[in-house]
Amino acid sequence: GAVVSQHPSRVICKSGTSVKIECRSLDFQATTMFWYRQFPKQSLMLMATSNEGSKATYEQGVEKDKFLINHASLTLSTLTVTSAHPEDSSFYICSATPGQVGSPLHFGNGTRLTVT
Amino acid sequence: DAKTTQPPSMDCAEGRAANLPCNHSTISGNEYVYWYRQIHSQGPQYIIHGLKNNETNEMASLIITEDRKSSTLILPHATLRDTAVYYCIVSDANAGNNRKLIWGLGTSLAVNP
Repeated sequence: GAVVSQHPSRVICKSGTSVKIECRSLDFQATTMFWYRQFPKQSLMLMATSNEGSKATYEQGVEKDKFLINHASLTLSTLTVTSAHPEDSSFYICSATPGQVGSPLHFGNGTRLTVT
Repeated sequence: DAKTTQPPSMDCAEGRAANLPCNHSTISGNEYVYWYRQIHSQGPQYIIHGLKNNETNEMASLIITEDRKSSTLILPHATLRDTAVYYCIVSDANAGNNRKLIWGLGTSLAVNP
């Protein structure tokens, strides 16, 4: 149980275009999902917390107008990278938890974004 | 900053037990210890977690010291597919859905044939 699905797994886009990444909790409901970014040989960095039915909470230094988050249902959160630039090329990962006390976060398989 | 410290790398022979240490000397009473691993170019995979007692599941065992300031993840019979970066994280169990995980650099485990 507790499966998180992320799509697409890999995307290449041109500079200036926008890319949408989907994160779904397949067998549980998640009022909160988390979006991370990971650069090569570095650890995961939390970008934002996605809250169902309300605005996302962004970490310091993350531009909310560039990384649009929509958590429209209890099983789906989307991250849109707007006007992508080559420096946005990274590995984006989402996570969610069923929410019981102590229950672990479960992660999607990540999206490799390459901006050319 | 991460609340845990781990050795940057370890080696293990295939078929032997891999013992990965983690120091979390500032852990508070509500915080669980979680272990994840990340195989190259994949999302992190949950392994095991615990609060006070030692835990075991089909993947690994978790040994937590009595003072809870350190723990050890044990992979009883390491295989080549266990080669990955292993992360030890402490997090407040009572934060519920708003729980954030702060990631360090983990331990890069190489299982050798």
